[in-house]
Amino acid sequence: SAVISQKPSRDICQRGTSLTIQCQVDSQVTMMFWYRQQPGQSLTLIATANQGSEATYESGFVIDKFPISRPNLTFSTLTVSNMSPEDSSIYLCSIGDGSPGYTFGSGTRLTVV
Amino acid sequence: GEDVEQSLFLSVREGDSSVINCTYTDSSSTYLYWYKQEPGAGLQLLTYIFSNMDMKQDQRLTVLLNKKDKHLSLRIADTQTGDSAIYFCAETPTVGAGTALIFGKGTTLSVSS
Repeated sequence: SAVISQKPSRDICQRGTSLTIQCQVDSQVTMMFWYRQQPGQSLTLIATANQGSEATYESGFVIDKFPISRPNLTFSTLTVSNMSPEDSSIYLCSIGDGSPGYTFGSGTRLTVV
Repeated sequence: GEDVEQSLFLSVREGDSSVINCTYTDSSSTYLYWYKQEPGAGLQLLTYIFSNMDMKQDQRLTVLLNKKDKHLSLRIADTQTGDSAIYFCAETPTVGAGTALIFGKGTTLSVSS
């Protein structure tokens, strides 16, 4: 199965700043997904990123706050913009390549102070 | 919309069997998954079951699916301290590359020696 390299693994950021999270896949995939896992909570889908088109955002998430890039079939970034302490979460990317098992990146643990 | 429910905590003694339960609402769910998340780590796919199956066994893991009741369970035989983690139930209505997973809130399994 594909391997995802996600970075940074963790970061502590000042409120009002932005952080860009990167996911690199070792094979070409059609769809990439970005999730947020707030402390003690489950995973919530932020958006679905398809190469060559705008990402599709779930209810409660907007492009201005979480801009996503998908420049090719092996790479995607998620930016958390104008951060506040409420954005402190684990952010994970995932790929769906059509097979039953979805692969996840190792996650980015973000703390906003 | 779709919803996936799990009990939040389970505590067992080493060597006992653990049973983690999950219910879901989407009758069109095609694949149902169990993921494991250890502290500070990403998500690890443990196993999955297709909706036309009743049971799947993989070494110490047994998945039971009651499609009529929309109930999924994960049994871990001979539970070890290394099994202590959060276990997430997830479902997807299709196996297509464009469909994200919907997760339950996770069950924290605590194994005491």
